[in-house]
Amino acid sequence: QKEVEQNSGPLSVPEGAIASLNCTYSDRGSQSFFWYRQYSGKSPELIMFIYSNGDKEDGRFTAQLNKASQYVSLLIRDSQPSDSATYLCAVNAGGTSYGKLTFGQGTILTVHP
Amino acid sequence: ETGVTQSPTHLIKTRGQQVTLRCSSQSGHNTVSWYQQALGQGPQFIFQYYREEENGRGNFPPRFSGLQFPNYSSELNVNALELDDSALYLCASSFGHEQFFGPGTRLTVL
Repeated sequence: QKEVEQNSGPLSVPEGAIASLNCTYSDRGSQSFFWYRQYSGKSPELIMFIYSNGDKEDGRFTAQLNKASQYVSLLIRDSQPSDSATYLCAVNAGGTSYGKLTFGQGTILTVHP
Repeated sequence: ETGVTQSPTHLIKTRGQQVTLRCSSQSGHNTVSWYQQALGQGPQFIFQYYREEENGRGNFPPRFSGLQFPNYSSELNVNALELDDSALYLCASSFGHEQFFGPGTRLTVL
């Protein structure tokens, strides 16, 4: 089982729709969770992070964390063509692994006009 | 722009050679982490430096080594290059949990 697994893509949504990106992780002791966006040929850009169970909203983005189910998701409301990118889920286990981010393989999102 | 810079942008080497990649961290960030990203994959943690000491290492062989300097800038050195070392090498700086990536160095090994 992979340490961090993301829903297989690519994911295609129409402009204005909600895009839902999912991620599961295997280490139950994981402490913090991050979503990065990576445009083709560029480096990852931090969108959001979440530490506590529940929802965290930032503009059109909402991160949801459920530690009991070892599940974290990212919702993008009112999707725009400029949101088309690869979305990376990353997990920090904390403790002696503090500072080490373990990434999923990424989900490619395409928003079509 | 994260304020993290990396050099060079692109590099082509041949198998068996050695390479040094450089990273300048964002102002105020005392921690630098290095990642390797193969095409179509997520980044993989190589190691992290905090106040000039290695502070955690991923599953990479000893031919991957690093340094951090008093100004918190960092180097990644790779000896005896192999074809599989071809990848995007990312440096991330942090002060706390959130890590911010530089633009990366694209290394091609022929």
